[in-house]
Amino acid sequence: QKEVEQDPGPLSVPEGAIVSLNCTYSNSAFQYFMWYRQYSRKGPELLMYTYSSGNKEDGRFTAQVDKSSKYISLFIRDSQPSDSATYLCAITGGGNKLTFGTGTQLKVEL
Amino acid sequence: DAGVIQSPRHEVTEMGQEVTLRCKPISGHDYLFWYRQTMMRGLELLIYFNNNVPIDDSGMPEDRFSAKMPNASFSTLKIQPSEPRDSAVYFCASSPLVNEKLFFGSGTQLSVL
Repeated sequence: QKEVEQDPGPLSVPEGAIVSLNCTYSNSAFQYFMWYRQYSRKGPELLMYTYSSGNKEDGRFTAQVDKSSKYISLFIRDSQPSDSATYLCAITGGGNKLTFGTGTQLKVEL
Repeated sequence: DAGVIQSPRHEVTEMGQEVTLRCKPISGHDYLFWYRQTMMRGLELLIYFNNNVPIDDSGMPEDRFSAKMPNASFSTLKIQPSEPRDSAVYFCASSPLVNEKLFFGSGTQLSVL
């Protein structure tokens, strides 16, 4: 079993839809949770960072962590074509050694 | 700041050849990371440095891979000899502090024929 599991997609939604992206993890020692966004032919860039259970909101983006279920989510409200990218979850128990999910490819259609 | 700079952007080589990938981290960042990305395995950490010293190289797949950081502004990842299964996108990233976000370069697309 991989330490971090993520549905690869692709996920296609119409503009304006609410998008839900998810990851599950197996190691209960993980305590820092991140979402990175990666555009085609670019490096990943940090989108959201949280270290506790619960929700964190930033504009149209909400990150949710459920440590009891070892489940993290990223919600995108009012999705835009510019949100089309691959979204990677990244998790660590501390230090800089991140474990990444394989990424979910999202396409937002006009 | 120009961000993390990697070169070359693309590299096509033949099996058995030596390949050297280069990275210039963001000035002032104490941590430097080398990642490899493939469709099957996603992003994998190969090695990371703190203040130019290798801290964890457990992700380096084989002795064919080596990485150096001779100074705070330059790092190399070398593959010798290269094999077709090394084909992937190799990313360099830097970070100012532990648990801080990673800043990635645009990657080097390596194709070994």
